[in-house]
Amino acid sequence: QKEVEQDPGPLSVPEGAIVSLNCTYSNSAFQYFMWYRQYSRKGPELLMYTYSSGNKEDGRFTAQVDKSSKYISLFIRDSQPSDSATYLCAMSVVTGNQFYFGTGTSLTVIP
Amino acid sequence: EAGVTQFPSHSVIEKGQTVTLRCDPISGHDNLYWYRRVMGKEIKFLLHFVKESKQDESGMPNNRFLAERTGGTYSTLKVQPAELEDSGVYFCASSQRGVLASYEQYFGPGTRLTVT
Repeated sequence: QKEVEQDPGPLSVPEGAIVSLNCTYSNSAFQYFMWYRQYSRKGPELLMYTYSSGNKEDGRFTAQVDKSSKYISLFIRDSQPSDSATYLCAMSVVTGNQFYFGTGTSLTVIP
Repeated sequence: EAGVTQFPSHSVIEKGQTVTLRCDPISGHDNLYWYRRVMGKEIKFLLHFVKESKQDESGMPNNRFLAERTGGTYSTLKVQPAELEDSGVYFCASSQRGVLASYEQYFGPGTRLTVT
């Protein structure tokens, strides 16, 4: 069983839609949860990270962590064509620095 | 401020040859990480340097892979001899010192390695 599961998509939405991206995980020791955005032929770009459970908001992006369900989400409000990219979730235990990644979800926002 | 840089951007070598990948982290970042993404799979951790010391190399696949970080600045990852299954994109990331800062890892653009 993979440490982190992520639906690869592809996901296609109209401009202005709310996008929901999700990951599930199996290791209850994970405490830090990150979301990265990756454009084609580029490296992953950190969007946000959260510690333990709860919500974190940054502009149009909201990250949610539900540790009881081992489920994390990234919501994108008022999606823009420039949001078209692959979104990767990653997580880590408190005392370690190794990141465990999902396979990424490909998102296309149609103008 | 310059980001993480990697060289070369793309390398094509034959099975059995040697390849050396280079990573220059963000200036002042003590933590340096190597990751690899094999086609169709997730990005996987290879190893972690703190300055010039290997903090965690549990992800290195075998002894054909050798990573160094001379002087705690740039790092190299050598594959010798290369095998077909080594093909993939090799990412380098760096972060500042400190427990919380460690989770803000900044990635380079990657080196696409193709072994034929």
